[in-house]
Amino acid sequence: GNSVTQMEGPVTLSEEAFLTINCTYTATGYPSLFWYVQYPGEGLQLLLKATKADDKGSNKGFEATYRKETTSFHLEKGSVQVSDSAVYFCALIDSGYALNFGKGTSLLVTP
Amino acid sequence: DTGVSQDPRHKITKRGQNVTFRCDPISEHNRLYWYRQTLGQGPEFLTYFQNEAQLEKSRLLSDRFSAERPKGSFSTLEIQRTEQGDSAMYLCASSPGAGENTDTQYFGPGTRLTVL
Repeated sequence: GNSVTQMEGPVTLSEEAFLTINCTYTATGYPSLFWYVQYPGEGLQLLLKATKADDKGSNKGFEATYRKETTSFHLEKGSVQVSDSAVYFCALIDSGYALNFGKGTSLLVTP
Repeated sequence: DTGVSQDPRHKITKRGQNVTFRCDPISEHNRLYWYRQTLGQGPEFLTYFQNEAQLEKSRLLSDRFSAERPKGSFSTLEIQRTEQGDSAMYLCASSPGAGENTDTQYFGPGTRLTVL
């Protein structure tokens, strides 16, 4: 079945550093790809999505591009803030309805 | 629009007891999903409704689990004869039933179940 693999954390960065969280996928066809974020003590929030190859999703300074050639959907942000500390999940739609998530990457941003 | 809500937020029960959770989706969303998330893992799909019809069930959903959505609005997830391995966060999500965003799922805050 379709699946995603994302880099393991935790990732610790200083404020204003550049962030990359790697995500690669295995899929038949071209499923929609997502990044969700889970802040401490809260539920999952949709961060961004891309529905087809070469699409770029963006939100709150975060970006990810759907790369068919490398089967990747890496999350990037040019300058992280302490408030970005959270767990980030890469996901794809499997079989048209179920989200299939990676294991999550914990990010800690220090002042 | 108040988003997806779930009740209760926390539930502590003893092994062997039955528990029931409720999910209220975003009002105009026809699709409703249940996931389970254990510590340090991503959420795993359990089941999915289109209106009142339960269309898919994961193999994770053992016979002790049952989900309903009787009027196509709120849903309940019941676990019978709970086991310690059922301890997890149970997440509900909803999405539109038609249009270009049917694959975009919006999650509730979850119900954290602890089985002693």
